[in-house]
This record gives sequence, C-alpha cells and structure tokens, in this order.
Amino acid sequence: QKEVEQDPGPLSVPEGAIVSLNCTYSNSAFQYFMWYRQYSRKGPELLMYTYSSGNKEDGRFTAQVDKSSKYISLFIRDSQPSDSATYLCAMVPGNTGKLIFGQGTTLQVKP
Amino acid sequence: GAVVSQHPSRVICKSGTSVKIECRSLDFQATTMFWYRQFPKQSLMLMATSNEGSKATYEQGVEKDKFLINHASLTLSTLTVTSAHPEDSSFYICSARGELGLAGGPDTQYFGPGTRLTVL
Repeated sequence: QKEVEQDPGPLSVPEGAIVSLNCTYSNSAFQYFMWYRQYSRKGPELLMYTYSSGNKEDGRFTAQVDKSSKYISLFIRDSQPSDSATYLCAMVPGNTGKLIFGQGTTLQVKP
Repeated sequence: GAVVSQHPSRVICKSGTSVKIECRSLDFQATTMFWYRQFPKQSLMLMATSNEGSKATYEQGVEKDKFLINHASLTLSTLTVTSAHPEDSSFYICSARGELGLAGGPDTQYFGPGTRLTVL
C-alpha cells in the first residue's frame, strides 16, 4: 500500500463547477500538507499548504485536512478552463523535510 | 518571490555522453535542494537531497556515480547524468527549500520548470 493514495482520474467537469480533489494517507507522522498544480511539461507550482486539521481558504481554493481520518481535500470553486492541470497532494513526515507525493489527479475543465 | 530556474529546459544527447543540468534559486538562498525524476503520467520520484557544501544523499536505487550532484552555493545545484543511455530519458525537476520565513512554511519546496532529457 502506498503511503499516499490519490485517484489519478482523469476528472472532467464543466466550467463553473465545484471540483473536489482528495488524498488519503496511512502514516500518522505526516504533519505538513501541500497541494501543487502541475501543467503539462512544467514544474509543480505550490497552491496551498497547511499544518493543522480544518479548512484554509485562498481565493477560489480551499484546502481541508482531517487528521483523524487521514484525509485531505482541495476544493476549487467556479472552475475555469485554465485550472486544467494535474493536481498533486504532498506531505511531509515528521522532520524529514522530504515530500511524499500522491500520484496526481488530472483535471480537465471544459468551457 | 521563491523563484527557481533550471537550465536547459530541453536537451537531446547521444548515448554515452554526459549532460549537466543547473538549478538556481533566483531570489532566495536555498539551504537544501532536491532532484526529482518524473515519467509520463506518473508522480515525482525523489532522486537525491543536497545541502550546500556537503555530499548529496541519494535515495535507494539511485546510482550516485551515474547522477552526480553538486551543491556549490546557496543558489546553485547541478545534476550531471554521466554516460547517459536511452533509459535515462526523462523529465528532471529540481526544487529548493529556503530559510524560515519564506511564504509557504519551512518545509515547502519550490520547483523549477523541469528539464526534458532525451538520449538517442
């Protein structure tokens, strides 16, 4: 079993839809959670980061962490075609500093 | 802020030659840099971690003599693929982690745009 599980998709939604992207993890040592967006043939771009359980909002993006269930989510409101990309969740176990990535979910927002 | 560049963005080389990829943090000092490899439709695989002025730490299964990493300064790390073969063709991405106080927290890594290596 992988430490971080993420459905690769692809996920296709119409423009304006609310998108929900999710990851589950098995290691309770994960303390720091991030979401990256990666466009084709580009490096990942940091979208959100959080330490604690709960919600964190930034514009159209909301990151949610539930440590008791070992489950994190990224919500995108009013999705746009420009949001079409691969979304990677990433986590840091303890003090290692290493990122453990999910497989990435490919999102397509259709105009 | 927190911009990381990579050079070259794309390189094609013949089998048996060596290729050097540079990774630079442009507006912050990177205490630690990471090198990843990514195959099509797959996630990033960490190859090695390098700290300025010390030897890189390689992940299990990564040949340190084949993938030479040098982290000569707080803004520059290089990855040299020695005696490249077609199976080394991949997308190589570096990331940098800076000092405390950068937006994103102490464990956040900022990624370069990647280098696509094709070995003929």
